[in-house]
Amino acid sequence: EVQLVESGGGLVQPGRSLRLSCAASGFTFDDYAMHWVRQAPGKGLEWVSGINWNGGSTGYADSVKGRFTISRDNAKNSLYLQMTSLRAEDTALYYCAKDVNYGGTLGVAGFDPWGQGTLVTVSS
Amino acid sequence: QSVLTQPPSASGTPGQSVTISCSGSGSNIGSHYVYWYQQISGTAPKLLIYRINQRSSGVPDRFSGSRSGTSASLAISGLRSEDEADYFCAAWDDSLSGPVFGGGTKLSVL
Repeated sequence: EVQLVESGGGLVQPGRSLRLSCAASGFTFDDYAMHWVRQAPGKGLEWVSGINWNGGSTGYADSVKGRFTISRDNAKNSLYLQMTSLRAEDTALYYCAKDVNYGGTLGVAGFDPWGQGTLVTVSS
Repeated sequence: QSVLTQPPSASGTPGQSVTISCSGSGSNIGSHYVYWYQQISGTAPKLLIYRINQRSSGVPDRFSGSRSGTSASLAISGLRSEDEADYFCAAWDDSLSGPVFGGGTKLSVL
């Protein structure tokens, strides 16, 4: 069974940093691109970032470009999101999601499955 | 403001059919596959439809997807109480070089 388990969320002050992790199991991790998608309280879904199978290609939403960095460690079957200069508007539930396409490249909006999410709250 | 436009709400009674629309542009829906997600309250989103009209594993054939030009639709027939959820459309966007979502449609089964 494919499983994605996020961790690392919490309460952080504006301007500080936080690193999210996603532990993957049940599939060949380096066969797929991976993504972070967030959902602010009571709001819709927003794609945050994606990374191809070997980390050689990444993408970011304009809202986080220059502040967030996505990375992966295929030996540890893990995905990461380093978040810096956090703002109140970054407050959200952050989901880790596996790309639907076998082959590991970016280019579709298909995510399956999703983890349960880790909550990031940015507040003083 | 979401790149893809969905109605904020939809409703129907058990057994009825309902259609949720998703409007985009040539840089997203018009040239890329459309995906639909179902999010039941308090849970993570679940892939419902991929590549415009393919049902994800375990999704009943009451759910169907379609695309016409720069718009897509999710149709649900034989509404059931368990269909009450938020539904999101998504597509890759060439202008933004990434996936974009619709704002979501809250479906109520009355």
